[in-house]
Amino acid sequence: AQSVTQLGSHVSVSEGALVLLRCNYSSSVPPYLFWYVQYPNQGLQLLLKYTSAATLVKGINGFEAEFKKSETSFHLTKPSAHMSDAAEYFCAVRVLGNTGKLIFGQGTTLQVKP
Amino acid sequence: DTGVSQNPRHKITKRGQNVTFRCDPISEHNRLYWYRQTLGQGPEFLTYFQNEAQLEKSRLLSDRFSAERPKGSFSTLEIQRTEQGDSAMYLCASSLLAGQAETQYFGPGTRLLVL
Repeated sequence: AQSVTQLGSHVSVSEGALVLLRCNYSSSVPPYLFWYVQYPNQGLQLLLKYTSAATLVKGINGFEAEFKKSETSFHLTKPSAHMSDAAEYFCAVRVLGNTGKLIFGQGTTLQVKP
Repeated sequence: DTGVSQNPRHKITKRGQNVTFRCDPISEHNRLYWYRQTLGQGPEFLTYFQNEAQLEKSRLLSDRFSAERPKGSFSTLEIQRTEQGDSAMYLCASSLLAGQAETQYFGPGTRLLVL
């Protein structure tokens, strides 16, 4: 069965510092992977997605993620954190087959300190 | 493209009451998904439709839950005889079936509190 694990339920960085949010996946075949962001009391917004076209994926708001098959990882990074990046971030894998449904990790709350 | 909309945004009800939520997907999106998100957790899949056909239901979806998508447009999720454990955020997402390019776009959610 496919799954994702997000390491660290809370991450705190200073404004301007590197953001690194970790996601490891489990899949018997190359997966389709997604990162979503959720601001308080809002739905999920897609940041970026990996669909095997390129291992380094660039998303919105300066975020990017690198697919590493050898490490079964899809970590999310941003070179310089802004206060507006404070939110909850979810990694997700699309289930094999035709359903298209997503399996989400537990989420990582990003705190940005001034 | 006005995005996925959900109504109501918030619902407070007493245990045992029935509630119904509505989701309006992005125009022409043929797939519609329902997820449930409890505090501090990621969303969990409940069910999905392709056009008007409900193709899969999670084991999380007890017989008190029913979802419809008449005419393949908007969808409703009804919970009968609500229980306190039903308190959660109910998220709707829609997508256009397009192979590996399929991307789900989420609505703002309906937050349910069962007293």
